Amino acid sequence: SQKIEQNSEALNIQEGKTATLTCNYTNYSPAYLQWYRQDPGRGPVFLLLIRENEKEKRKERLKVTFDTTLKQSLFHITASQPADSATYLCALLGEGGYQKVTFGTGTKLQVIP
Amino acid sequence: GAVVSQHPSWVICKSGTSVKIECRSLDFQATTMFWYRQFPKQSLMLMATSNEGSKATYEQGVEKDKFLINHASLTLSTLTVTSAHPEDSSFYICSASPASGAQETQYFGPGTRLLVL
Repeated sequence: SQKIEQNSEALNIQEGKTATLTCNYTNYSPAYLQWYRQDPGRGPVFLLLIRENEKEKRKERLKVTFDTTLKQSLFHITASQPADSATYLCALLGEGGYQKVTFGTGTKLQVIP
Repeated sequence: GAVVSQHPSWVICKSGTSVKIECRSLDFQATTMFWYRQFPKQSLMLMATSNEGSKATYEQGVEKDKFLINHASLTLSTLTVTSAHPEDSSFYICSASPASGAQETQYFGPGTRLLVL
């Protein structure tokens, strides 16, 4: 069965350091991979999308890599700030129709001042 | 940017009653809207996909007679939880895909927290 795993349930990091979150998937051939931020009691907010033929994408302090051979995506937040504290979800699109999104379990990031 | 709203943001109801949740795309038309459910400390699980003017497509294990979805216009989809029970208590989130946008683009609403007593 399809499975999406994010490396850890929670990740604590010191302010100013780079946070790296991992998303691994099995039994899936996504056309796109997305990363979302979700704050408590709120809906997900879209951050970045990367296509299957792209290796890396950047947006300000965010960087995403996508390795379809390893079936893995890495999400980096450089110069992390306490305001970056949230749960980050990876999501795959492609199977079952491009619009159908399958979410990972999420990683709760805590940036410590 | 594209905004999706949900109403109500939270609702408490008695067991056995029905609850309607609205999802609106405020500044764009959405041919497709999605309904998700999220239990505490778990990820979002897709419940159903609704296309304007047609019947919703439900994911495996989701009872279509219990979770009624209506997508009456390009800006409004509703989810009705019929005869709600405590196990239906959850966070319900909708998303909308713009009619004119890329297929992979979805905008999420803020969610509706349902508590069934």
